[in-house]
Amino acid sequence: DGGITQSPKYLFRKEGQNVTLSCEQNLNHDAMYWYRQDPGQGLRLIYYSQIVNDFQKGDIAEGYSVSREKKESFPLTVTSAQKNPTAFYLCASSLGTPRRSGNTIYFGEGSWLTVV
Amino acid sequence: GESVGLHLPTLSVQEGDNSIINCAYSNSASDYFIWYKQESGKGPQFIIDIRSNMDKRQGQRVTVLLNKTVKHLSLQIAATQPGDSAVYFCAETSQGMLTFGGGTRLMVKP
Repeated sequence: DGGITQSPKYLFRKEGQNVTLSCEQNLNHDAMYWYRQDPGQGLRLIYYSQIVNDFQKGDIAEGYSVSREKKESFPLTVTSAQKNPTAFYLCASSLGTPRRSGNTIYFGEGSWLTVV
Repeated sequence: GESVGLHLPTLSVQEGDNSIINCAYSNSASDYFIWYKQESGKGPQFIIDIRSNMDKRQGQRVTVLLNKTVKHLSLQIAATQPGDSAVYFCAETSQGMLTFGGGTRLMVKP
């Protein structure tokens, strides 16, 4: 099946640790995104990438890092600099670039990160 | 920045009735709108979209209406079913970047 796969589904982080969330898509989409969702709230953009080896900060990039070495992969690292990382993280992708309106964004199933 | 918001945080309907979920947007330059459905613990699922050159679009049991004059978007679900219970988000794009509303929870009573 084509789609967006996020792993792990649940992840626990100790204080001071970096953790990496995986996102893989086999939709042949050019653009990929990471969003953060806090309970009862909407989605906020962390980072996005329009093309391999290029990515841009979103609204809440501080404390996060990404890489885009392959078209199908866009891992997100939550660093120790992120002071409030407990949230639901959603990876997404779209066929075209973010700046081209009309490109529907599709989401993965999400990863829960909890600081212990 | 510009914002997208929803009028009702929770909507409760009887099974079989029609549901209407509303969304107001403030960016007059928005040119593409999407409705998503999010079930508990899952990622948002695309439902239907509409471009700004249209005022109505129909899907299977769903209809999206766009009123650009008052910057209002609505999602109508016909014959609401228990499986429709979820949080519904509207999102608007201007220059391609999505801005999400806060979401409306739809509860379907049997």
